Amino acid sequence: AQSVTQPDIHITVSEGASLELRCNYSYGATPYLFWYVQSPGQGLQLLLKYFSGDTLVQGIKGFEAEFKRSQSSFNLRKPSVHWSDAAEYFCAVGARKIQGAQKLVFGQGTRLTINP
Amino acid sequence: SAVISQKPSRDICQRGTSLTIQCQVDSQVTMMFWYRQQPGQSLTLIATANQGSEATYESGFVIDKFPISRPNLTFSTLTVSNMSPEDSSIYLCSVGHLANYGYTFGSGTRLTVV
Repeated sequence: AQSVTQPDIHITVSEGASLELRCNYSYGATPYLFWYVQSPGQGLQLLLKYFSGDTLVQGIKGFEAEFKRSQSSFNLRKPSVHWSDAAEYFCAVGARKIQGAQKLVFGQGTRLTINP
Repeated sequence: SAVISQKPSRDICQRGTSLTIQCQVDSQVTMMFWYRQQPGQSLTLIATANQGSEATYESGFVIDKFPISRPNLTFSTLTVSNMSPEDSSIYLCSVGHLANYGYTFGSGTRLTVV
């Protein structure tokens, strides 16, 4: 069964500093991997996704993530955070099948606080 | 990507009553998913809804408590039945895209049971 671990429940960084949010997954085959962001009182917005190909994935808002099969990781990074990046970040894994969308399994989330 | 309209956006309900949440998609989709996000928690899948068949429920969720309808390829409802304060959560619908393997979420329904 799929599972996702986000080891950091809460991270605080200063505005302009770099950011890395960790995500480790467990799945028997090559997974679909996602990062979502949820601002307070809002729904989920997709930041980026990985299905195949280049293991370094670029997303919206200046985010990127790197898939490392050997480490079962898909860490999210941003070189310089902005105050508007304060939100909850969720890593998710989906089962890979030939056809049909599959359910997502989410990590517990990492709450990001930005210091001015 | 698909645009999802979910309503109501929030509601405060009395215990013992039921609430039906609607999810409308602007394009035809094969599968729709319903998730629950309890306060301060991550998202947990309640069930997967396919058009024309019974919904598939995850462990810990039952049809009597969370009946789902999927009358066509663009619409689904989730009912939270006989509510208790423990049902206070955000409920989100989601659709998956075969075209680009993305998953889109509705804006959620914030439910408070008093």
